[in-house]
Amino acid sequence: DAGVIQSPRHEVTEMGQEVTLRCKPISGHDYLFWYRQTMMRGLELLIYFNNNVPIDDSGMPEDRFSAKMPNASFSTLKIQPSEPRDSAVYFCASSPGYSGNTIYFGEGSWLTVV
Amino acid sequence: QKEVEQNSGPLSVPEGAIASLNCTYSDRGSQSFFWYRQYSGKSPELIMSIYSNGDKEDGRFTAQLNKASQYVSLLIRDSQPSDSATYLCAVNRASGTYKYIFGTGTRLKVLA
Repeated sequence: DAGVIQSPRHEVTEMGQEVTLRCKPISGHDYLFWYRQTMMRGLELLIYFNNNVPIDDSGMPEDRFSAKMPNASFSTLKIQPSEPRDSAVYFCASSPGYSGNTIYFGEGSWLTVV
Repeated sequence: QKEVEQNSGPLSVPEGAIASLNCTYSDRGSQSFFWYRQYSGKSPELIMSIYSNGDKEDGRFTAQLNKASQYVSLLIRDSQPSDSATYLCAVNRASGTYKYIFGTGTRLKVLA
């Protein structure tokens, strides 16, 4: 089975530009998560969806960040405008919602804002 | 105080030894506890979950939970160089939610 698929894997962009990260969860999984990982702060939950509905976005750092899930097989995380401090690895993950709440991570999108 | 604390390491152990990784958490109402392994440049992968006080064994891995003392640990027996990675502790604060709080991880080095 295909795992969680993220794109792009690597992105380098200039400060002020819009960045869109994409995610396809594992088929049949009802939960989708966006995490950000940095050396200083570790792995932080930004937002998660259940059945395409945002459940908790309290981790979204500020209004420059937005996330959508238009259907069960696709989600986006958008940063507009991007800033150097947004440089991090962004992970998308999904979960079937049973089996002890196990979540499965994608390979990550490595973002560098210069 | 961080919600989930881990020693960043690196923790170095010789091949074949037992590696002991520790994690403490601040929310006494936490329900579920997880250990993830993350190789450099890769995504985290689940090793074990534990929900009740005591030990839980899975192959060379043993998770230990002590809710009264608010710590969870991971023991890796017969450590192998392939176990060299960062180990992340995650805590779910409330049953039925997915608000996992991750520690910053402990880097383990197994020396051949």
